[in-house]
Amino acid sequence: KAGVTQTPRYLIKTRGQQVTLSCSPISGHRSVSWYQQTPGQGLQFLFEYFSETQRNKGNFPGRFSGRQFSNSRSEMNVSTLELGDSALYLCASSLAVVPLGGYNEQFFGPGTRLTVL
Amino acid sequence: GNSVTQMEGPVTLSEEAFLTINCTYTATGYPSLFWYVQYPGEGLQLLLKATKADDKGSNKGFEATYRKETTSFHLEKGSVQVSDSAVYFCALHQSGLFFGTGTRLTVIP
Repeated sequence: KAGVTQTPRYLIKTRGQQVTLSCSPISGHRSVSWYQQTPGQGLQFLFEYFSETQRNKGNFPGRFSGRQFSNSRSEMNVSTLELGDSALYLCASSLAVVPLGGYNEQFFGPGTRLTVL
Repeated sequence: GNSVTQMEGPVTLSEEAFLTINCTYTATGYPSLFWYVQYPGEGLQLLLKATKADDKGSNKGFEATYRKETTSFHLEKGSVQVSDSAVYFCALHQSGLFFGTGTRLTVIP
């Protein structure tokens, strides 16, 4: 079974531009989550989608948005890029939204490394 | 809010040494707790988990016990190997996965 795939793997943009990153979950997985990884802030949760609906959201400005399609593939968009948005963006998929007190393992993709100049 | 605090690295150990990486958390209620590992050149992967108080997660010789009274989930291994060199992340799940800053472990022969 193929793992989580993310495209592109590397991206270079300039300040003020916008960017769209794509994530294809493991076949059969319906939940997709996005994370930002930076040396200074570590791994931070961006948002989680299930059945095309955003279920949970981290503490990021509105410039960060996402969506999920009917085939569970997901995209995240960052508008008006800032230098501080340079990071590794990780996508993770799981079978479903984790129930309260429960557990669904999240499987991570290799990430998209975004560099903002 | 939710947060995870883990031991700052980097940590360098000789092969067969004992490993402890401390992790404490802040959350409402009783979140599920995890240790994830990122090997060089590889993606993040789940190492072990515990979903309720006093649960012990274990995998590949690593162990961690969910301590509600001390809000801790310390990672331990009795005898590390060179192949354990990686970055280790403690995390909790409560409406999203919240990670600690990561601890880089280097094991030397």
